[in-house]
Amino acid sequence: DVKVTQSSRYLVKRTGEKVFLECVQDMDHENMFWYRQDPGLGLRLIYFSYDVKMKEKGDIPEGYSVSREKKERFSLILESASTNQTSMYLCASSTQGRGSPLHFGNGTRLTVT
Amino acid sequence: SQQGEEDPQALSIQEGENATMNCSYKTSINNLQWYRQNSGRGLVHLILIRSNEREKHSGRLRVTLDTSKKSSSLLITASRAADTASYFCATDPSGGSNYKLTFGKGTLLTVNP
Repeated sequence: DVKVTQSSRYLVKRTGEKVFLECVQDMDHENMFWYRQDPGLGLRLIYFSYDVKMKEKGDIPEGYSVSREKKERFSLILESASTNQTSMYLCASSTQGRGSPLHFGNGTRLTVT
Repeated sequence: SQQGEEDPQALSIQEGENATMNCSYKTSINNLQWYRQNSGRGLVHLILIRSNEREKHSGRLRVTLDTSKKSSSLLITASRAADTASYFCATDPSGGSNYKLTFGKGTLLTVNP
């Protein structure tokens, strides 16, 4: 079974802090994704990566950056955390190819105070 | 931008009954996927239906797709308390990047014992 592991389940940070959310997958998947999930808004794509060092913006990239130095690891960075970034963050991975299912981690609930 | 929209937003049924959830979308698609999310967890892929398919089955799940109406339905037969979860449709738009699934806001299903 594919395992996608997010380093923290809960995180509390202060406004202005630099925040790193880490995600590791163990199935050699080419694609990795970061979504945020908010009540009433569903899942929104922040960034995705289709190969090491490759990244593309999703629908809401503002205030975020990403890093993919190794195939199995995809990091989401909040350069200067703000209260409107309080959310559930979900990492996912998939193989190449149209229709490949996404495999999700259990999420990181981030609170910015 | 939101592509799929689930209906209803919430559904409460008794164990043993069938549950039907609907998804409408706006643009042509390559495929449509359904995911389940248990409370506080990541999403789990359930089933994929391609644009040239009309119906697909997997265990107690039945998915239909009507591309002329731009809609899909997910039927769960003989529901169990363990089916209690949120259900999301995700669309892979035609002509778009095959990395960018777009998720709806979900239907919260409660199955009462």
